[in-house]
Amino acid sequence: GENVEQHPSTLSVQEGDSAVIKCTYSDSASNYFPWYKQELGKRPQLIIDIRSNVGEKKDQRIAVTLNKTAKHFSLHITETQPEDSAVYFCAASLHSGNTPLVFGKGTRLSVIA
Amino acid sequence: GAGVSQSPSNKVTEKGKDVELRCDPISGHTALYWYRQRLGQGLEFLIYFQGNSAPDKSGLPSDRFSAERTGESVSTLTIQRTQQEDSAVYLCASSSWDRGIYGYTFGSGTRLTVV
Repeated sequence: GENVEQHPSTLSVQEGDSAVIKCTYSDSASNYFPWYKQELGKRPQLIIDIRSNVGEKKDQRIAVTLNKTAKHFSLHITETQPEDSAVYFCAASLHSGNTPLVFGKGTRLSVIA
Repeated sequence: GAGVSQSPSNKVTEKGKDVELRCDPISGHTALYWYRQRLGQGLEFLIYFQGNSAPDKSGLPSDRFSAERTGESVSTLTIQRTQQEDSAVYLCASSSWDRGIYGYTFGSGTRLTVV
């Protein structure tokens, strides 16, 4: 089955700096890669996703890149703000038949004002 | 409903007791997923339903765990003879057939504490 590794487990950045979180996956058949943000005590919320037919996707200060050959994908947050502080999870799955997402173990991002 | 609803939000139980956790998915969502999140940890897949059937039960940690879904709606996750290591937040998510996992929405979870 699919296995997703995520690094780093914790990340501290100064406000205004960029943050990068990296994930690798094992199943070359996976073709859908979402990222979730979970604030303390709250449910995970989808922030951005990418499908295997594209290499990069941007949404304002957030971008995700995908390298299918190397089986890794990354989340980039630019101009970080204190409200970006949260735990971020990457995930991978086959986009067919509602197959479950397999999640990485999460990255705790702290943005220091 | 407007979102995925889980109940109870918090449950404290004594070791050895049985508990039932409930998930009400978004109306019309055909797929429903259960995950477990231990304190400070990631999301551990438990089981999912497509309609009322569970094609993948591989994530259930032991035979003390079971789940069912009826009417392609409400699902209950039952933990028998609870142990302290069962303490965690149990998250439910649902998605719709036509949107697949693009429609993956989580509930707020049930925080289970076994004392």
